Amino acid sequence: QSVLTQPPSASGTLGQRVTISCSGSSSNIGSHFVYWFQQLPGTAPKVLIYSNNQRPSGVPDRFSGSKSGTSASLAISGLRSEDEADYICAAWDDRLTVRVFGGGTRLTVL
Amino acid sequence: EVQLVESGGGLVQPGGSLRLSCAASGFTLSSHWMSWVRQAPGKGLEWVANIKQDGTDDFYVDSVRGRFTISRDNAKNSLYLQMNSLRAEDTAVYYCVREIEVGYGEVSLYFDYWGQGTLVTVSS
Repeated sequence: QSVLTQPPSASGTLGQRVTISCSGSSSNIGSHFVYWFQQLPGTAPKVLIYSNNQRPSGVPDRFSGSKSGTSASLAISGLRSEDEADYICAAWDDRLTVRVFGGGTRLTVL
Repeated sequence: EVQLVESGGGLVQPGGSLRLSCAASGFTLSSHWMSWVRQAPGKGLEWVANIKQDGTDDFYVDSVRGRFTISRDNAKNSLYLQMNSLRAEDTAVYYCVREIEVGYGEVSLYFDYWGQGTLVTVSS
């Protein structure tokens, strides 16, 4: 069981806006930066969001991150077929003193 | 172009050893913390270990501490992971990952470049 909790699946239609949640605690999300990764089938993960809401160069502004208390969210607007992937949140955990990942959310584009 | 290419994975018996290598190119290895992150088949990501730019500091997840050793040779642009006393639960794809520091005294998970991964299978 992952320290950070994500819904196992999410879906949306082309052009729609979807949100993926990541729930943690005061020892991780509540006091540290959140990161989001996208993993396309059979490939290595790619960073989408760092430091809660910052996008690396090259990541479209359709992707945005936010954090409130001990939860974080990744929003994807203007959904495209190529967005079909696993989305994984991550943060540092003070209590466990280790980097922790969520279990991932598989996004299906209908 | 930044590239990270892992090698050294394979099938090993429980209790055995394996050494993973990661060849880095397209950037100055000595400027970055580097990590190993693994992913068991069909499972989520797990951070394994990381090492400071000059190799003087390293950190491990509890499940591998004392069995795995991360090291680097900046002159050879290479990162390594020596894995001893391997267990079935160590079976995973192992990724070599470059870290970017984010400041503010924060432990960074800004993993901006990943290798393609190398599969380690521990089985008799």
